[in-house]
Amino acid sequence: GNSVTQMEGPVTLSEEAFLTINCTYTATGYPSLFWYVQYPGEGLQLLLKATKADDKGSNKGFEATYRKETTSFHLEKGSVQVSDSAVYFCALSRTSGSRLTFGEGTQLTVNP
Amino acid sequence: GAGVSQSPRYKVAKRGQDVALRCDPISGHVSLFWYQQALGQGPEFLTYFQNEAQLDKSGLPSDRFFAERPEGSVSTLKIQRTQQEDSAVYLCASSPGRMGAEAFFGQGTRLTVV
Repeated sequence: GNSVTQMEGPVTLSEEAFLTINCTYTATGYPSLFWYVQYPGEGLQLLLKATKADDKGSNKGFEATYRKETTSFHLEKGSVQVSDSAVYFCALSRTSGSRLTFGEGTQLTVNP
Repeated sequence: GAGVSQSPRYKVAKRGQDVALRCDPISGHVSLFWYQQALGQGPEFLTYFQNEAQLDKSGLPSDRFFAERPEGSVSTLKIQRTQQEDSAVYLCASSPGRMGAEAFFGQGTRLTVV
């Protein structure tokens, strides 16, 4: 079956540090890949997505590239802010718009 | 409404009690999903509706869990004879149903079974 594995957290960084959160997946075929973010007290929000190999999703300074050869979709940001503190979830779906399979989530805390 | 609305936000139930959790999707959204999120874990799929039709209920953990969407809009997730392991946040998401369309999540209902 489909599965998503994220790097273990929590992750604590200083403001303006470089962020990487690793995500690898297991799936048949060519799934769509997503990063969702959950800010304190809020619902899950789509951060970015990629629907085919070598696609790069980007939003709010975050980027992730769909790597079929390594079955990965690592999230990166060059300079994090305190407001980026949240829980980040990597997810996949068989097709974009269908049910999602999520990773365990990674708690990010950014200190001033 | 502006977004997906879930009620109640918090529910405490005694073990053995029945509960009903409500989801109001974004108006016009065809697809509706329910997920269960245990503490410190990612959401796990429960069930999926397209309009009023429940097309996938493979994630429902037992026959104590039942979901409906009778008019293709509001959905209710019912849990009978609640047990402690049912304690979790229950998330609802809706989407327009088009290929590639984003799913929008509600804030969830936190269920605590005591």
